[in-house]
Amino acid sequence: GQSLEQPSEVTAVEGAIVQINCTYQTSGFYGLSWYQQHDGGAPTFLSYNALDGLEETGRFSSFLSRSDSYGYLLLQELQMKDSASYFCAVRAPRGKLIFGQGTTLQVKP
Amino acid sequence: EAQVTQNPRYLITVTGKKLTVTCSQNMNHEYMSWYRQDPGLGLRQIYYSMNVEVTDKGDVPEGYKVSRKEKRNFPLILESPSPNQTSLYFCASSLEYRVGSPLHFGNGTRLTVT
Repeated sequence: GQSLEQPSEVTAVEGAIVQINCTYQTSGFYGLSWYQQHDGGAPTFLSYNALDGLEETGRFSSFLSRSDSYGYLLLQELQMKDSASYFCAVRAPRGKLIFGQGTTLQVKP
Repeated sequence: EAQVTQNPRYLITVTGKKLTVTCSQNMNHEYMSWYRQDPGLGLRQIYYSMNVEVTDKGDVPEGYKVSRKEKRNFPLILESPSPNQTSLYFCASSLEYRVGSPLHFGNGTRLTVT
């Protein structure tokens, strides 16, 4: 089957760097995506990795290692507005999409 | 404005009373999907559709039905709701079903079944 594991909570201070890890187990790999969700609002797409390496989008970067079935989301220069839940997701065969349980990031002043 | 529209935002109903949550997108997306979100369980996929008249079960399809008669609409139907279906529901769409194709989510429907 397919499963993803992420830490349930992460705390960091404003201006710091934080890394949110995601390990996955899938039968067939089609890439890893990351989504952000504020307080029960609509999740929004952050990034996608299909190949090994780092993808950078402003203050956010995402990394993938297919050989380790592992990825992470890196948030730099943390701001209070980055306090949210972050989900990794993988596509299973035939269009099914599996999300991790989410990591709640709390940014403190 | 490109968006996914769900209705209603909030719904309180009683056990056994059939209900439909509507979902519509105006982006000509092929892929649409429904998720439920419960504390500590993340987003779990209920049903998805890769195109008109093509639907398939996600991880938690029991007690739900869907249909995709038109490309833009993907309603979620609860024929006989039960209290364990109390949850926050999200509809989402993407241009295609590749994982790199970003999902666009609706604003959610908070359902309470008493």
